[in-house]
Amino acid sequence: QSVLTQPPSVSAAPGQKVTISCSGSSSNIGNNYVSWYQQLPGTAPKLLIYDNNKRPSGIPDRFSGSKSGTSATLGITGLQTGDEADYYCGTWDSSLSAGGVFGTGTKVTVL
Amino acid sequence: EVQLVESGGGLVQPGGSLRLSCAASGFTFSSYWMSWVRQAPGKGLEWVANIKQDGSEKYYVDSVKGRFTISRDNAKNSLYLQMNSLRAEDTAVYYCARAGRFAARPGGSVYYYMDVWGKGTTVTVSS
Repeated sequence: QSVLTQPPSVSAAPGQKVTISCSGSSSNIGNNYVSWYQQLPGTAPKLLIYDNNKRPSGIPDRFSGSKSGTSATLGITGLQTGDEADYYCGTWDSSLSAGGVFGTGTKVTVL
Repeated sequence: EVQLVESGGGLVQPGGSLRLSCAASGFTFSSYWMSWVRQAPGKGLEWVANIKQDGSEKYYVDSVKGRFTISRDNAKNSLYLQMNSLRAEDTAVYYCARAGRFAARPGGSVYYYMDVWGKGTTVTVSS
């Protein structure tokens, strides 16, 4: 069961902006760094954002990340049809059952 | 090219065992924490386990503790997941992933992300 909550879906027209929220708690997002992953249909996840707001090389600056308190946000500007995918936030949970945790996932649809 | 290739998936009966392997290439395998992540059909990602560079530290999700064992052979650039007492709910695509960083700052904040992923291997637990 995911401990990080994301909206099931978001949508926008090409060229527009979407934001995806990821809500957690003090044992995970509140005290640890957040990453974001894109999963295109039928493929493995791909790292988009790490350490809350850093982009790996090759990831366009249309993708951005931020964190405030126990929530994190992924932003995608200049939406393209190729951005249609599932997006997951992830972090470490430092509770008694320490381990990695992912968000529930958000499907982005380009209208 | 940095690459991870999983193998060993298949169909197994409930209560059975399976050993997954992940072959790493293109980077210094022994320098990285490694992870297993799974995805049940139509569901989201679930972190399964982590192992330290030298195998001395391991972490597991509660649902697999006592049944799954993560291990590695740095001489063979390989990561493994031994899965015993398999259940229907273990049915998933299993991904091997490199932890780009897994470290704790003084004061406790943890850096953790997975920067390289394999294509996955499918495990189906069914009679």
